[in-house]
Amino acid sequence: QKEVEQNSGPLSVPEGAIASLNCTYSDRVSQSFFWYRQYSGKSPELIMSIYSNGDKEDGRFTAQLNKASQYVSLLIRDSQPSDSATYLCAVIGSARQLTFGSGTQLTVLP
Amino acid sequence: EPEVTQTPSHQVTQMGQEVILRCVPISNHLYFYWYRQILGQKVEFLVSFYNNEISEKSEIFDDQFSVERPDGSNFTLKIRSTKLEDSAMYFCASRRDRGSTDTQYFGPGTRLTVL
Repeated sequence: QKEVEQNSGPLSVPEGAIASLNCTYSDRVSQSFFWYRQYSGKSPELIMSIYSNGDKEDGRFTAQLNKASQYVSLLIRDSQPSDSATYLCAVIGSARQLTFGSGTQLTVLP
Repeated sequence: EPEVTQTPSHQVTQMGQEVILRCVPISNHLYFYWYRQILGQKVEFLVSFYNNEISEKSEIFDDQFSVERPDGSNFTLKIRSTKLEDSAMYFCASRRDRGSTDTQYFGPGTRLTVL
């Protein structure tokens, strides 16, 4: 059974701070990793994808991947109240279906 | 910017009734997916579809479920005899090709309420 584990939170950070979100996965052969953002009642929206070990930066977002430790993280710099949402970690399976974690609820306090 | 669309946004039905949820994937995409999310729970894979056939399905996708691409643009999910536990958000997603770097784009979802 492929599993993706996330701290459910809630995680609260003050505006302007760095939010750090973590994810571990069980399937060692997974190659593609995604972070989605989901606002309440809405569909998942892609934030970042990462495929190679190391860091990948896109604006205020940095994804980090460590395949040896089976660990993926997302850093959000200069957090804004509009970043308040649930962040979903997802891993690609054999038929390219996404396996999602349960999500981490982030609240950015003004 | 092209996007996945879904109709209806909210469907209310009686237990035991059939429902059809509709999706229009992005036009040049080849792979299609249905996911569901029960309130407060994680997003779960139901089925993937390529070249007019199911390529993978989860344990959730039992004989009560079926998918179809009837006309080259729509992609539908049918639940033959709905149960209370089928109440959830149902998301359609599409993907351009099978490359590992390709991204799935999600539609806005259909909220299904079974009474």
